[in-house]
Amino acid sequence: KAGVTQTPRYLIKTRGQQVTLSCSPISGHRSVSWYQQTPGQGLQFLFEYFSETQRNKGNFPGRFSGRQFSNSRSEMNVSTLELGDSALYLCASSLAPAGSQETQYFGPGTRLLVL
Amino acid sequence: AQSVSQHNHHVILSEAASLELGCNYSYGGTVNLFWYVQYPGQHLQLLLKYFSGDPLVKGIKGFEAEFIKSKFSFNLRKPSVQWSDTAEYFCAFRSQAGTALIFGKGTTLSVSS
Repeated sequence: KAGVTQTPRYLIKTRGQQVTLSCSPISGHRSVSWYQQTPGQGLQFLFEYFSETQRNKGNFPGRFSGRQFSNSRSEMNVSTLELGDSALYLCASSLAPAGSQETQYFGPGTRLLVL
Repeated sequence: AQSVSQHNHHVILSEAASLELGCNYSYGGTVNLFWYVQYPGQHLQLLLKYFSGDPLVKGIKGFEAEFIKSKFSFNLRKPSVQWSDTAEYFCAFRSQAGTALIFGKGTTLSVSS
């Protein structure tokens, strides 16, 4: 079974631009969560989607948004990019909503560099 | 605030040495606990998990972890490390009612052959 896939793997943008990242979960998984990984802050939760509905959101500004499609694929968007948005963005999927007794499986990430 | 503390930022060991990585979480209720590993150039992989039952859990590649509720700890152990265990190790927890994984800052393990 294929794992979680993320595209693109690498991205370079300039301040003020916007970016869209894509995540395809493991086949059959309906929950997708997004995390931001930086050297300073570590791994931080962005949001979780299940059945096209956002179930939970982390402490990030409104510039960070996401959505999920009927096939469970998810996209996250960052508008008005700032230098501090440079990070590895990880997507994780699970069968059911990411709650008790569920294990999340991570993709390889998209490395975003903002210049 | 919910948080995870990993006591060691960087651990350096020789092959065959024993390993113990500390992890403490701050949350008073029921939790699910995880250790993830990130090998150089690879993505985060699940090493082991604890949901309930026996507090000593075994994972892949000979790793184990013990949940001590009274100490809010979930330390990772391996009796004899190999060069291939060189990686970054992340402890994480999720409250029973929550959906987000709360991660520690990670411990880099370097094993010399």
